[in-house]
Amino acid sequence: DAGVTQSPTHLIKTRGQHVTLRCSPISGHKSVSWYQQVLGQGPQFIFQYYEKEERGRGNFPDRFSARQFPNYSSELNVNALLLGDSALYLCASTSGSVDTEAFFGQGTRLTVV
Amino acid sequence: RKEVEQDPGPFNVPEGATVAFNCTYSNSASQSFFWYRQDCRKEPKLLMSVYSSGNEDGRFTAQLNRASQYISLLIRDSKLSDSATYLCVVNWAGFKTIFGAGTRLFVKA
Repeated sequence: DAGVTQSPTHLIKTRGQHVTLRCSPISGHKSVSWYQQVLGQGPQFIFQYYEKEERGRGNFPDRFSARQFPNYSSELNVNALLLGDSALYLCASTSGSVDTEAFFGQGTRLTVV
Repeated sequence: RKEVEQDPGPFNVPEGATVAFNCTYSNSASQSFFWYRQDCRKEPKLLMSVYSSGNEDGRFTAQLNRASQYISLLIRDSKLSDSATYLCVVNWAGFKTIFGAGTRLFVKA
């Protein structure tokens, strides 16, 4: 079975541009979460989606948005990119229960120049 | 105060040593607790869940103290392959998952 897949793996964008990151969860998992990890820090929670509904949002500006599709895949969108948005963006999928393991994709490394 | 705080590290230990990591969390409504391991430039992977009764998996022992809002991870007989960053993770409200900043461990021969 395929694990969590993210695309692209690496991306370079210019300040002010927009970016879309994609994630496909493990088959059967209905929940997808997005995290931002800056070098030397732990992952910071951005969003969680379950059954296509947003269930939670972290402390990120409105430039960050996401959605989940009927097949449970998800997109993270970031508008008006800033240099500080450069980070590893991780997607995790779970079955949706509170105490189950989160499986992470390999991440998308975004560099804003 | 951060929602999840960990020992800053890094920890540098010789092979065979016992090392302990500590973590505190601020939200008393937290529901589930985990330790994840992250290798350099890789994604985090679950090391073990943490239960109130304490749990052990081989050389690894995790404990939870809800009254003190404290989680610990003990690694016995450290191996070179244990070198990684260890992330304390707290989940509440069924959806909000908060990671600590991580503690780096270097095990040397």
